[in-house]
Amino acid sequence: GAGVSQSPSNKVTEKGKDVELRCDPISGHTALYWYRQRLGQGLEFLIYFQGNSAPDKSGLPSDRFSAERTGESVSTLTIQRTQQEDSAVYLCASSSRLAGAQETQYFGPGTRLLVL
Amino acid sequence: DAKTTQPPSMDCAEGRAANLPCNHSTISGNEYVYWYRQIHSQGPQYIIHGLKNNETNEMASLIITEDRKSSTLILPHATLRDTAVYYCIVRSVGRGSTLGRLYFGRGTQLTVWP
Repeated sequence: GAGVSQSPSNKVTEKGKDVELRCDPISGHTALYWYRQRLGQGLEFLIYFQGNSAPDKSGLPSDRFSAERTGESVSTLTIQRTQQEDSAVYLCASSSRLAGAQETQYFGPGTRLLVL
Repeated sequence: DAKTTQPPSMDCAEGRAANLPCNHSTISGNEYVYWYRQIHSQGPQYIIHGLKNNETNEMASLIITEDRKSSTLILPHATLRDTAVYYCIVRSVGRGSTLGRLYFGRGTQLTVWP
């Protein structure tokens, strides 16, 4: 079946512009996660959704970052006034039911963001 | 969450078993051990997970020591396509809102050579 998809696959933007990154989770998955991976680094948790609610936003690096999810499906991660340090791969994952220790997260291919 | 320690790199000959170690000496009784891998320029891929017992699936085997302080991921017949960064993650049953996140460290870069 279809996996997690993300768009765009690559995004180049100028410093100060806003960008929107999209994630389509696996159909029926209630939990959705956003991570960031800087070049040569491990994954950094940003936020997760349970349904359309985000119980844990503590990983968002600044108030320029926000995310929403609608219809317990698609999620959008928005970065306002982008900075060069925002350049990274943004990864989305989903899992099948309430987030918990046994739930396996399935990842999308990521969006590669480059801020010039 | 319990921290994990992995060697930064390993290599393995094609066709041989790759044994990737992970130390998680501060793991608590309700924490699972998960393994993911990330092939260059792709998103992480789930491999296997376990609590106490050894586990096997079509990709790999997971051996967890009796005291649960360490584990080994075994790829029985490594191929060139298994070259990737392998992450060992201890998944916390956190309180409230921290349930969701996975904590990825630096992982082990496994290189399979012909």
